[in-house]
Amino acid sequence: SQQGEEDPQALSIQEGENATMNCSYKTSINNLQWYRQNSGRGLVHLILIRSNEREKHSGRLRVTLDTSKKSSSLLITASRAADTASYFCATDTGRRALTFGSGTRLQVQP
Amino acid sequence: EAGVAQSPRYKIIEKRQSVAFWCNPISGHATLYWYQQILGQGPKLLIQFQNNGVVDDSQLPKDRFSAERLKGVDSTLKIQPAKLEDSAVYLCASSTHRGLGYEQYFGPGTRLTVT
Repeated sequence: SQQGEEDPQALSIQEGENATMNCSYKTSINNLQWYRQNSGRGLVHLILIRSNEREKHSGRLRVTLDTSKKSSSLLITASRAADTASYFCATDTGRRALTFGSGTRLQVQP
Repeated sequence: EAGVAQSPRYKIIEKRQSVAFWCNPISGHATLYWYQQILGQGPKLLIQFQNNGVVDDSQLPKDRFSAERLKGVDSTLKIQPAKLEDSAVYLCASSTHRGLGYEQYFGPGTRLTVT
C-alpha cells in the first residue's frame, strides 16, 4: 500500500515560477524524503527531513513537515525547464524500507 | 564514485517465460533493495537485503519472484513465469546501512515488457 500521497498529481508552470507539491501520509514516521525521477531514469534523492524538524532548505528547495497533520510540502523556487520531472515523497517508519507515494508530475514550460 | 549498475536496461518477453535482472550496488553499501514501479505509480518495495540476508520480502510474490544476493554484493531478481501484470520498471537501490536518516541511491532501472 502507498503510505504517502502527493498532491497535485500533475502541475504545469512557467519557468521562473515557484512549484509547490504536497504529501500526506498515514502513520508516524522517523523521517520523510523527497526524490526526483526524470523520464526513463532512476530516482535521485533530493532532501531528507526528520520527524523532529519542521523546515529544511537545500539550494532552491524548501521542505516543511507537519507531523500533527501528517503532511509535508516541497517548494521549488525559481523553477527551470530542467526541473521537469516526477517528484515522490517517501516515508521511513523504521519498520521497513521507504514507502513511496504516487508522485507529482511537474512540467516547467520554458 | 560509481553509481548503482543494473542490466539489462530493457527486456521484452512473452508471458510464461522467465527473466532475470542483475544489480551491482555502490561499493560498501550493505543494504540493497529491489523495487517494482508500474507506470504512473511510485516504486513498491519487493525485497530488502542487509548484506546477504533478507530483511523484508513481505511484498514479494514468492510463487513467481525470487531474489538472491550472493556474498553480500551483487544481486539478481528472477521472475518465472512472467505475467502480463509484471510489466514495469524494476529498480535496484542501495544504502550504507539500515538506520535512521539514510538515503537510497537508485540505479537506472530495467524496463520489462511482458507480451
